[in-house]
Amino acid sequence: KAGVTQTPRYLIKTRGQQVTLSCSPISGHRSVSWYQQTPGQGLQFLFEYFSETQRNKGNFPGRFSGRQFSNSRSEMNVSTLELGDSALYLCASSHPGLAGQETQYFGPGTRLLVL
Amino acid sequence: GNSVTQMEGPVTLSEEAFLTINCTYTATGYPSLFWYVQYPGEGLQLLLKATKADDKGSNKGFEATYRKETTSFHLEKGSVQVSDSAVYFCALSDQGTGNQFYFGTGTSLTVIP
Repeated sequence: KAGVTQTPRYLIKTRGQQVTLSCSPISGHRSVSWYQQTPGQGLQFLFEYFSETQRNKGNFPGRFSGRQFSNSRSEMNVSTLELGDSALYLCASSHPGLAGQETQYFGPGTRLLVL
Repeated sequence: GNSVTQMEGPVTLSEEAFLTINCTYTATGYPSLFWYVQYPGEGLQLLLKATKADDKGSNKGFEATYRKETTSFHLEKGSVQVSDSAVYFCALSDQGTGNQFYFGTGTSLTVIP
């Protein structure tokens, strides 16, 4: 099976712009989660989507949003970019299973640089 | 709430040395515990997992045992190789919070020949 794919891999934006990142989960996986990874804060959970519905959300401002399509592909959007949004954004997918026991499989990430 | 505390790095070892990376957790429910590894420029790869107390996860010579009494999930390997150089993350998920993973800060390991 193909792994989790994320596009684009690298992105450079300027402050105030918006950005959309895309994630294609492993075939058959219906849950997609997004994480932000920075040297200072480590890995922080953004949100999770399951069957096109947001099932869980982390502590990020409303500028961060996401959605999931019927084929389980997901996008996340960041509006009004700030310098502090520079990070590696990781997408992870999982197969439905026992809650709390599902392994998450990660994509390679999209590295966003905000200038 | 849920949290993971990981041993501070970086860790530098000689090839064939014994590795231990400490990980302790706090959880409100019955967590599953994971170790992930991240190589430079890549995403996270699952290394091993354990879903209940006393379970031992193992993979590629790495092992970790889920110790409920000490709330720990320490990663060990008997003989490290240069190719094990990476950042290691301990993580938990809790059935009470669905699929949300809580990660430790990561431990950077460098193995020198």
